[in-house]
Amino acid sequence: AQTVTQSQPEMSVQEAETVTLSCTYDTSESDYYLFWYKQPPSRQMILVIRQEAYKQQNATENRFSVNFQKAAKSFSLKISDSQLGDAAMYFCAYRSAGRGGANSKLTFGKGITLSVRP
Amino acid sequence: GAVVSQHPSWVICKSGTSVKIECRSLDFQATTMFWYRQFPKQSLMLMATSNEGSKATYEQGVEKDKFLINHASLTLSTLTVTSAHPEDSSFYICSASIPGALKEYFGPGTRLTVL
Repeated sequence: AQTVTQSQPEMSVQEAETVTLSCTYDTSESDYYLFWYKQPPSRQMILVIRQEAYKQQNATENRFSVNFQKAAKSFSLKISDSQLGDAAMYFCAYRSAGRGGANSKLTFGKGITLSVRP
Repeated sequence: GAVVSQHPSWVICKSGTSVKIECRSLDFQATTMFWYRQFPKQSLMLMATSNEGSKATYEQGVEKDKFLINHASLTLSTLTVTSAHPEDSSFYICSASIPGALKEYFGPGTRLTVL
């Protein structure tokens, strides 16, 4: 079974600064997808960024980028120019790309609460 | 973009009663929907995978007789919490995926409080 580990329960960052959220995972599969989801106080889950394991290039979405290290099974999220609206819980998640594809379930990490100081 | 709705957004019920939560994909057809449970400040715990026209697949430790899931159409899945007790109080979230897509669309969640 796959596992996703987020060892830091909380982090804080100064507005306009950069912060990196850590995530490691364990799997025996070679093809899979990794995600970072944001859950603000409204509790609506929002997809931040996605990485396909077969792609060597790290995904980027505006101020958000990942550092995907497949051999180390590490998938960290970097938030640049942090904004007050970035304050939320962030979840790292894994999905198998095998049978089922998009119908495969997501495995979530425990999450990290990010606060942004003005 | 694709939208998933949940109804109700908040429900309070008495212990021993049953509560039904609806999850709808508003502008796409979803052959698979997922139901999660989330306690405050914790992660999402997958309860079951709901497939249209077939029985749901429950995760280990989830009581299928207590949490009844029905996926009667390609746009609607329902979760019924039967004989609810205070320990069932939680935030329930559904999600749906578009076949062939690599994205899961989440509903806004339903807060259940059992008195």
